[in-house]
Amino acid sequence: QSALTQPASVSGSPGQSVTISCTGTTSDVGAYNRVSWYQQRPDKAPKLMIGEVNIRPSGVSNRFSGSKSGNTASLTISGLQAEDEADYYCYSYTTEKTWVFGGGTRLTVL
Amino acid sequence: EVQLVESGGGLVQPGGSLRLSCVASGFTFSGYWMTWVRQAPGKGLEWVANIKEDGSDKYYVDSVKGRFTISRDNAKNSVYLQMNSLRAEDTAVYYCAGGGVNYGMDIWGQGTTVTVSS
Repeated sequence: QSALTQPASVSGSPGQSVTISCTGTTSDVGAYNRVSWYQQRPDKAPKLMIGEVNIRPSGVSNRFSGSKSGNTASLTISGLQAEDEADYYCYSYTTEKTWVFGGGTRLTVL
Repeated sequence: EVQLVESGGGLVQPGGSLRLSCVASGFTFSGYWMTWVRQAPGKGLEWVANIKEDGSDKYYVDSVKGRFTISRDNAKNSVYLQMNSLRAEDTAVYYCAGGGVNYGMDIWGQGTTVTVSS
């Protein structure tokens, strides 16, 4: 049950796009489409931003999109805004019938 | 209003027990997988356990197997986490969350803090 691999930090200027990667294995990210992404602001509960690889929940900005290729899932945020500054976590089901989060990525809007 | 409210956290000595509760409102609780997620101070999120809609299947992270038990009462719109043999490394904010097994967790509580210390 090793954590999925995410970059510790990414940054971008307002209006730019950033992509956060989430690398797993053939036993988790690569095995199923049960990958979701969560945004967490300081001292707040996480919020679902992308479900089932690329489904955006109602109310989430269309600037957020998700994708997957092989063992790596990605979250792309376009048209960066100051309010996007937060920690982002990926989450995946595994072949061991368990679930695992990524280590988290701190997004800084410059 | 769609809501999950956790309770039951607190300070406990190593080896002690706590029972966390999470009450749902504003949605059809019996149609949701329920999950407990924790976050140690200054650390990332960790999946702890989840339970199928009807309670028939339960899954746990290795570090809590044999010590923690997840359960639910759909008549009371509640999910529970019984935590025994607590260790210092169980210190965290514990969140309950609900969602679909494929989709992810789209409803979250505000969290309850568990501190294991002598």
